[in-house]
Amino acid sequence: DAGVIQSPRHEVTEMGQEVTLRCKPISGHNSLFWYRQTMMRGLELLIYFNNNVPIDDSGMPEDRFSAKMPNASFSTLKIQPSEPRDSAVYFCASSVQGGGNTEAFFGQGTRLTVV
Amino acid sequence: GQSLEQPSEVTAVEGAIVQINCTYQTSGFYGLSWYQQHDGGAPTFLSYNALDGLEETGRFSSFLSRSDSYGYLLLQELQMKDSASYFCAVRLMDSSYKLIFGSGTRLLVRP
Repeated sequence: DAGVIQSPRHEVTEMGQEVTLRCKPISGHNSLFWYRQTMMRGLELLIYFNNNVPIDDSGMPEDRFSAKMPNASFSTLKIQPSEPRDSAVYFCASSVQGGGNTEAFFGQGTRLTVV
Repeated sequence: GQSLEQPSEVTAVEGAIVQINCTYQTSGFYGLSWYQQHDGGAPTFLSYNALDGLEETGRFSSFLSRSDSYGYLLLQELQMKDSASYFCAVRLMDSSYKLIFGSGTRLLVRP
């Protein structure tokens, strides 16, 4: 398996524009996480899907952020409209859902810069 | 709420031993995990403690004490390539199964 695949790797956009980040989880994994990482706030959990259903979106900062998982092999995180404070590295991770040691596998991240 | 606290930075010399602590305030969780992240890279899994005690994996060991709400990662025979950020993490035992991370510790290994 190629691991968790995220696209694009880098995104530079102007304030006010819509940004869509994409993620393909590892086949067979039924949990998917979106994290945002900044120097100030570390790794923040934005939203978590289990079996394609959003379980917890309490970390989504504002209504400008939305996430979907239309099927087991694809998820998107959308920011509309984007703002400079959204600049961060966004990681997608997947794992097998359940208790115990359910190791999370991370994609390489999308570095978003909003100017 | 849940929180996991770590020192922000640790510095050590090559060949030495270093311990990175993680103290937590959280409701039930399945176990304590550790992840490593090099600059510009993604977090990668290192170790997992389901039960109290020490788990050893090569040069790395991890410890958990639920009664003390405390765990640590021990790195032995430090190498330059160990310079990275290290995060503790827990999977919550509530219906969400959320995986939450500590604040991270940046380890700098000097020659």
